[in-house]
Amino acid sequence: AIQLTQSPSSLSASVGDRVTITCRASQGINRALAWYQQKPGNAPKLLIYDASSLESGVPSRFSGSGSGTDFTLTISSLQPEDFATYSCQQFNSYPLTFGGGTKVEIK
Amino acid sequence: EVQLVESGGGLVQPGRSLRLSCTGSGFNFGDYAMNWVRQAPGKGLEWVGFIRSKPYGGTTEYAASVKGRFTISRDDSKSIAYLQMDSLETEDTAVYYCTRRVTSVAATDYWGQGTLVTVSS
Repeated sequence: AIQLTQSPSSLSASVGDRVTITCRASQGINRALAWYQQKPGNAPKLLIYDASSLESGVPSRFSGSGSGTDFTLTISSLQPEDFATYSCQQFNSYPLTFGGGTKVEIK
Repeated sequence: EVQLVESGGGLVQPGRSLRLSCTGSGFNFGDYAMNWVRQAPGKGLEWVGFIRSKPYGGTTEYAASVKGRFTISRDDSKSIAYLQMDSLETEDTAVYYCTRRVTSVAATDYWGQGTLVTVSS
């Protein structure tokens, strides 16, 4: 199974900061990666698909990049509503797998 | 509006069975593959398995941790996907989410609210 390693596992940041989260795959997955945001008590929400395509309705401060084994989710200017846990998921091969998540906390 | 609603969760003893249902509305259910994803308390997301739409064979894939114990099926006439869970273990305790898979891209775009399954004696 393809393993996805996210880093960092948690981070503290201030409103307005630029935040970058990475997701590394144990083998190449082309661009078959999605990013989700999850707030406590809620289901995850799709942010990015196909590594860099922004889901409809998601603010443009979110962006994704990468291909192969290394991927990045960037929040250009962190907003109060962005404090949450972010997870990546690969769709290249079965079993589909998730990264361990990155918790973004208020500094 | 697309909606996915899970039901059937609850407390069950180890070794017993439970069947979850996922009812979809607001879209043509039969056109989409459906996934099950779970999240143990305080842990990350774990993909459980999925079932393809009938045009793609209606076949299934499973995570190694549940293969042979869990079975996913669908009834497109009722817009329902099922997760039959047999030989439950305490490690299966989690919130179980039903999600809609977007076939043409790498994503699941809609998630249900989740249903809690607790396996305990």
